[in-house]
Amino acid sequence: DIVLTQSPATLSLSPGERATLSCGASQSVSANYLAWYQQRPGLAPRLLIFDASTRATDIPDRFSGSGSGTDFTLTISRLESEDFAVYYCQQYGSSPVTFGQGTKLEIK
Amino acid sequence: QLVQSGAEVRKPGESLKISCKASGYSFVNYGIGWVRQVAGKGLECMGVISLSETRYSPSFQGQITIAADNSHNTVYLQWSNLQASDTAMYYCARLLGDDYSYFFDLWGRGTLVTVSS
Repeated sequence: DIVLTQSPATLSLSPGERATLSCGASQSVSANYLAWYQQRPGLAPRLLIFDASTRATDIPDRFSGSGSGTDFTLTISRLESEDFAVYYCQQYGSSPVTFGQGTKLEIK
Repeated sequence: QLVQSGAEVRKPGESLKISCKASGYSFVNYGIGWVRQVAGKGLECMGVISLSETRYSPSFQGQITIAADNSHNTVYLQWSNLQASDTAMYYCARLLGDDYSYFFDLWGRGTLVTVSS
């Protein structure tokens, strides 16, 4: 199974700042099949990004994904209050699909 | 949308079936998966079901059953012998991709299952 390691575990930033979240894979992710999800407290996850860099429907353009192979990044250009949440990456290039352990983005 | 059944409380050894009803799209054109989240922990894909097959993640094979009722646009997740370690939130989610390579673009609100003596 591909193991996804997200870093940092917790990221403390202020509204308006730029957030950079990392997701590293234990082996190359086929076709860069990597997705990012946001989970706000008490809510279900929400798809943000798929195929490493394609924004899902209705996702603001301050969210962007990049990377390839084993190293992927989610960037939030200017943090807004509703962006403080937990973020998960998921690879779907190899079976079984696997998730990272999450990065908690908290208000500084 | 995906509408999940309500919270459940069971004792160890009991059985349980929870549901996920889809609406607003062509049910037969998309698979549905079940994702477990233990309190304070991350996401685990348990298995998926589509028109062609049902596939279980290795960690959950033999522990759960996923079934669908296409006439009612509903997918089920079933246990026959619950354990305390099954206490978690369970999400159903719609698949984009194929049976082996997929991500989840639409999520239910979750069903909380508590197993306690």
